[in-house]
Amino acid sequence: QVQLQQSGAELAKPGSSVKISCKASGYTFTSYYISWIKQTTGQGLEYIGYINTGSGGTNYNEKFKGKATLTVDKSSSTAFMQLSSLTPDDSAVYYCARRNYGDYWGQGVMVTVSS
Amino acid sequence: DIQVTQSPSSLLASLGERVTITCQTSQSISNNLNWYQQKPGQAPMLLIYYATSLQTGMPSRFSGQYSGRSFTLTITSLEPEDIANYFCLQHYSAPYTFGAGTKLELK
Repeated sequence: QVQLQQSGAELAKPGSSVKISCKASGYTFTSYYISWIKQTTGQGLEYIGYINTGSGGTNYNEKFKGKATLTVDKSSSTAFMQLSSLTPDDSAVYYCARRNYGDYWGQGVMVTVSS
Repeated sequence: DIQVTQSPSSLLASLGERVTITCQTSQSISNNLNWYQQKPGQAPMLLIYYATSLQTGMPSRFSGQYSGRSFTLTITSLEPEDIANYFCLQHYSAPYTFGAGTKLELK
């Protein structure tokens, strides 16, 4: 069965970076894009972007350019998202999902940015 | 960016009742809209894709329709396990955008 297993919760200081992972199983990793979504209580759901897991090509929401960097490691069927120059506004639950439109989702990673 | 206006933001309904949730987009997106269900503390689950197609494994009481820029999710007969948040996503044009969500509660 399709599964996307994300890494654990992160507590980070303002100005730092975090890199969260999303390990796929149950399907051919390079056959489907991986997308990333941010969820907060206040702003709801925001689409960050997606990565072509075969070519590594990316498509970012302009709002997240410079904030998020999407990469993949095909050898381990894992997608990564690095968030840089963290501020409290980056505190959220971050999901990875299969396909550009998210047919299966990971369990989410809570990122808390606090000094 | 394409705006997605979802209504209502919250809904009280009784078991067995027919429930309808709507998303209206700011421009035409053909059928490129999905519906998701999210229960507290859980990841979203895809219910309906491309406006009308029921995701494998989802109950047939869920259905989607659209006309022009208006999209509806219908639950024909509300079950206790349907109590959740529901939201839509347009994936026609980047950046993809979500509706603000509908919180469905029992009356």
